[in-house]
Amino acid sequence: GAGVSQSPSNKVTEKGKDVELRCDPISGHTALYWYRQSLGQGLEFLIYFQGNSAPDKSGLPSDRFSAERTGGSVSTLTIQRTQQEDSAVYLCASSVTGLETQYFGPGTRLLVL
Amino acid sequence: AQTVTQSQPEMSVQEAETVTLSCTYDTSESDYYLFWYKQPPSRQMILVIRQEAYKQQNATENRFSVNFQKAAKSFSLKISDSQLGDAAMYFCAYRTTQGGSEKLVFGKGTKLTVNP
Repeated sequence: GAGVSQSPSNKVTEKGKDVELRCDPISGHTALYWYRQSLGQGLEFLIYFQGNSAPDKSGLPSDRFSAERTGGSVSTLTIQRTQQEDSAVYLCASSVTGLETQYFGPGTRLLVL
Repeated sequence: AQTVTQSQPEMSVQEAETVTLSCTYDTSESDYYLFWYKQPPSRQMILVIRQEAYKQQNATENRFSVNFQKAAKSFSLKISDSQLGDAAMYFCAYRTTQGGSEKLVFGKGTKLTVNP
């Protein structure tokens, strides 16, 4: 595709529900990243996938957060038992291995009521 | 740990004028990359310019240029001939590969207003 795509664009959920956020990276990009952008914390790294290597999950804020990447392409970020503090914009980015520029998707705005 | 500081939460500039956004960072790495990203209200993070630390020459992309001072750990962005479409949040970012992983560390951002 032309760029990184994310769905849904906006998501409103109730506290305690689970949500899934999807990211489609640029075709041919082997590295994929998730970031969270919130008013209080700014832009924070969540998780990094590179090819078939074990992901770097060091940025996930709690065990309610998990992510997977199927077939080295599409990624899903899952938040279980959502809390109001999970409200934020979740950004996905991808890059070509060996090149350093990350290209971002339009983000998913999550609102937990 | 690497940190990135943008000391100007907000800046404004008159259309056609020049503005400089500041960024400083802290790192113990010798080879790294720095970036400026623009985020308009649409939320899309758009790459403005990037700088490789091993290059002494400052990067330039059309009206955008950087002043990279490696010893001072400073990486400012200059926007010349400002246009209304330049209005956005600007984020300075440092790419770290510490620990075998890879991620961007961002500053808090500078909101740029362009006045007609």
